Amino acid sequence: AQSVTQLGSHVSVSEGALVLLRCNYSSSVPPYLFWYVQYPNQGLQLLLKYTSAATLVKGINGFEAEFKKSETSFHLTKPSAHMSDAAEYFCAVSGRTYGNNRLAFGKGNQVVVIP
Amino acid sequence: GAVVSQHPSRVICKSGTSVKIECRSLDFQATTMFWYRQFPKKSLMLMATSNEGSKATYEQGVEKDKFLINHASLTLSTLTVTSAHPEDSSFYICSAKKTGVETQYFGPGTRLLVL
Repeated sequence: AQSVTQLGSHVSVSEGALVLLRCNYSSSVPPYLFWYVQYPNQGLQLLLKYTSAATLVKGINGFEAEFKKSETSFHLTKPSAHMSDAAEYFCAVSGRTYGNNRLAFGKGNQVVVIP
Repeated sequence: GAVVSQHPSRVICKSGTSVKIECRSLDFQATTMFWYRQFPKKSLMLMATSNEGSKATYEQGVEKDKFLINHASLTLSTLTVTSAHPEDSSFYICSAKKTGVETQYFGPGTRLLVL
């Protein structure tokens, strides 16, 4: 079974500063990895995903993440935080085979952007 | 593309009544749909996986007779909360997935309040 760990439920970042959200995964098979963002009272929006091509993945809204197999990590970064980045961020992992495509979510990071 | 809708967005009902939530993929055919439950300030908990034309697969601890799932077409899945109780109050989110594609696309969620 796959799982992900996100540390630090709340992350505060100054506007214009680097956003770094950490995600470590556990999987017995090569995984698919995802980052989703959730705004209050809304569903989840896909930020980016890793499926096996480039290890550095660029997503929407200026976010990117790097898959590091040696570190079993898929950390999310954005060079310069914007007020609109305040939201909940979830890392998720799934298997690659049919029947093993359920998503396992991390606990999430609540990002607060300080003006 | 890949838009998923849910209806209703909010529902308030009396204890003992049943509530049906619809999940629709608007611009693609979803062979698999997933139903999640999210408690305040918490991550998503997978309730069940629904494949078109077959019975849903429920996660451990989820009562299948209480949470009835129907996936009658490639664009529609429904979740019926039967004999709802206040402890069923929650945010219910669905997602949809195309065959052969690894990404789940999420609906905007349904807020259920049982009085």
